Amino acid sequence: GAGVSQSPRYKVAKRGQDVALRCDPISGHVSLFWYQQALGQGPEFLTYFQNEAQLDKSGLPSDRFFAERPEGSVSTLKIQRTQQEDSAVYLCASRLRPTDTQYFGPGTRLTVL
Amino acid sequence: SQELEQSPQSLIVQEGKNLTINCTSSKTLYGLYWYKQKYGEGLIFLMMLQKGGEEKSHEKITAKLDEKKQQSSLHITASQPSHAGIYLCGADGGSARQLTFGSGTQLTVLP
Repeated sequence: GAGVSQSPRYKVAKRGQDVALRCDPISGHVSLFWYQQALGQGPEFLTYFQNEAQLDKSGLPSDRFFAERPEGSVSTLKIQRTQQEDSAVYLCASRLRPTDTQYFGPGTRLTVL
Repeated sequence: SQELEQSPQSLIVQEGKNLTINCTSSKTLYGLYWYKQKYGEGLIFLMMLQKGGEEKSHEKITAKLDEKKQQSSLHITASQPSHAGIYLCGADGGSARQLTFGSGTQLTVLP
C-alpha cells in the first residue's frame, strides 16, 4: 500500500521567505509526527497530532514554526521568515495506534540561502 | 530527558564481515526501534524491541535489548553492500510516545 508521502522533496528558500511543507500520512493513521533532522544528526521531535488535534508542540524551535492538520489527514508544516539555521531535512511520520511503529516519509530537504 | 548514544559513529567493513552497532540509553528503555536511512531518503523501519532480553532477527540482521533495558545492539552477519546506510536507534517516550533518536551510525560496506 501507499506509504507516507511528502512534498516538495527539495526546497530552496531565501532567508526571510515563508515555506510550507506537506505531509500525506498513511490512510487511516490517527497519529502524525513532524521531526527535524540536521546534517549528521538523528531526527528531533517537533510536533504531534492525533487526528486534527495538535497535542504536543513542545519541539517547535520558535514561534516561526507552525503546523496544522485541519481534517485529520494531510498536514502542513509552515516556517515563516526562514533563517539559515532552519536548513535541515523535515521528516513526517504516521502511526495507526499509540503502540504501533511510526512509518516515515522520504523527507523534505530545506536549504535556506 | 532521555539521551541515546550510538557507537561507533561510523564503520567501514569489507563485504562478508560481521559487525555490531550499539545504542546506550541514559534511562530505561520501554520501546527501542531500529531504523535504516539512506542519504536523501526517509527512515526504513527494521525492528522494534520492548522486553528485556528480547531478540529479533530479519534476514541477516539481529537486534537485542539487554536485560537491564538500557542498551540495544544491532548485529549484521555477512555484510553486503546493500546493508550500507545510516542506522538509527530510537526510544519510545514522552506524552505522545514520540521517538528520541541517537545520532546514527554510518555503515560503509566495501565490495
